[in-house]
Amino acid sequence: QSALTQPASVSGSPGQSITISCTGTSSDVGSYNFVSWYQQHPGKAPKLMISEGSKRPSGISSRFSGSKSGNTASLTISGLQAEDEADYYCCSYAGSNTWVFGGGTKLTVL
Amino acid sequence: EVQLVESGGGLVQPGGSLRLSCAASGFTFSSYWMYWVRQAPGKGLVWVSRINSDGSSRGYADSVKGRFTISRDNAKSTLYLEMNSLRAEDTAVYYCAGPYGVNAFDFWGQGTMVTVSS
Repeated sequence: QSALTQPASVSGSPGQSITISCTGTSSDVGSYNFVSWYQQHPGKAPKLMISEGSKRPSGISSRFSGSKSGNTASLTISGLQAEDEADYYCCSYAGSNTWVFGGGTKLTVL
Repeated sequence: EVQLVESGGGLVQPGGSLRLSCAASGFTFSSYWMYWVRQAPGKGLVWVSRINSDGSSRGYADSVKGRFTISRDNAKSTLYLEMNSLRAEDTAVYYCAGPYGVNAFDFWGQGTMVTVSS
């Protein structure tokens, strides 16, 4: 149950696009189409942004999109806005009814 | 509207025990799997445990296996996490999460803080 690997930080200017990567193994990300992404503002509970790799829950902006290639999943945020500044976590189903999160990425909007 | 409200956190000595509760409302609690996720201060999210809809199947992260027990009372729409033999590294905010996501955690409570310290 090793954590998925995410960059510690990414940054971008308002209006730009950024991508956060999430690297796992053939036992988790590579084996299942069940990667989810969460946004967490300081002192708040996480919020689901993407499920099943690329599905946006109701109410989530289309500026958020997810994809996967091999053992690496990605979250792309287009048209960056100030309110997007937060921590982002990926999570993958890892088989046998277990789940593993990434270490988190701090997004700074410059 | 789905609501998850955790309680039961606090300060406990190493080796001690604590029971967390999560009161659920706004959905048919007895129909869905539920989860516990924790976050140590300044650290990332970690999946802790899961339970199926009728409580007959449970799973745990290796770090808590044998020490923590997840359970539920569907009549009370409440999820529990019994924590024994607590260690300093169990210090974290504990969130309950669920219920509709397909291998995802779509709703979260506000969390309850557990501090293990002498």
